[in-house]
Amino acid sequence: SAVISQKPSRDICQRGTSLTIQCQVDSQVTMMFWYRQQPGQSLTLIATANQGSEATYESGFVIDKFPISRPNLTFSTLTVSNMSPEDSSIYLCSGTPLGGHLPDTQYFGPGTRLTVL
Amino acid sequence: AQRVTQPEKLLSVFKGAPVELKCNYSYSGSPELFWYVQYSRQRLQLLLRHISRESIKGFTADLNKGETSFHLKKPFAQEEDSAMYYCALRIGGGADGLTFGKGTHLIIQP
Repeated sequence: SAVISQKPSRDICQRGTSLTIQCQVDSQVTMMFWYRQQPGQSLTLIATANQGSEATYESGFVIDKFPISRPNLTFSTLTVSNMSPEDSSIYLCSGTPLGGHLPDTQYFGPGTRLTVL
Repeated sequence: AQRVTQPEKLLSVFKGAPVELKCNYSYSGSPELFWYVQYSRQRLQLLLRHISRESIKGFTADLNKGETSFHLKKPFAQEEDSAMYYCALRIGGGADGLTFGKGTHLIIQP
């Protein structure tokens, strides 16, 4: 399995500012993903964080708004840029560890609760 | 595009009663199906996946390709089963992200 931590756990931000969320895994993972969970909604995939190359974004999400970095196999960041109240959500990171009992299983971080005023 | 539907937002059953959480999907190929669970104040965690064909915490789920369903069942509910349950689908193997349903809040009454 993989234990995933996220920083910060929550934040309250002013509109127009940016916030960078960090995701750290305790072991190497092949794939890392970022999801968003808006209030009362399900989890929606934002992008796949690729190690050493640009992230792959899902329809409706763009790099300028959600730049992602993944400098190595255990760490990734998601930035929410030029925030508006509509960006208020829980942002979750997930990873798929190398090998293990259940290959290709996605493990999730605890989430970052973002409120934009 | 693929889609996962969980028709019940809230399901309340008494302890000891059978539980069935419904999940239907739309996808023309052969997806992988998962059930994730989120207990109060805990992170999302995998409950089971269809390729494992396991029973976890007394829960089972069978993939029915004809009905495009992956319902989660447990014969006798326990109070500790109270949680949010999400059905999810993946189409491209481990390199792909998950498509989630909206979730069902299961409440087990004593």
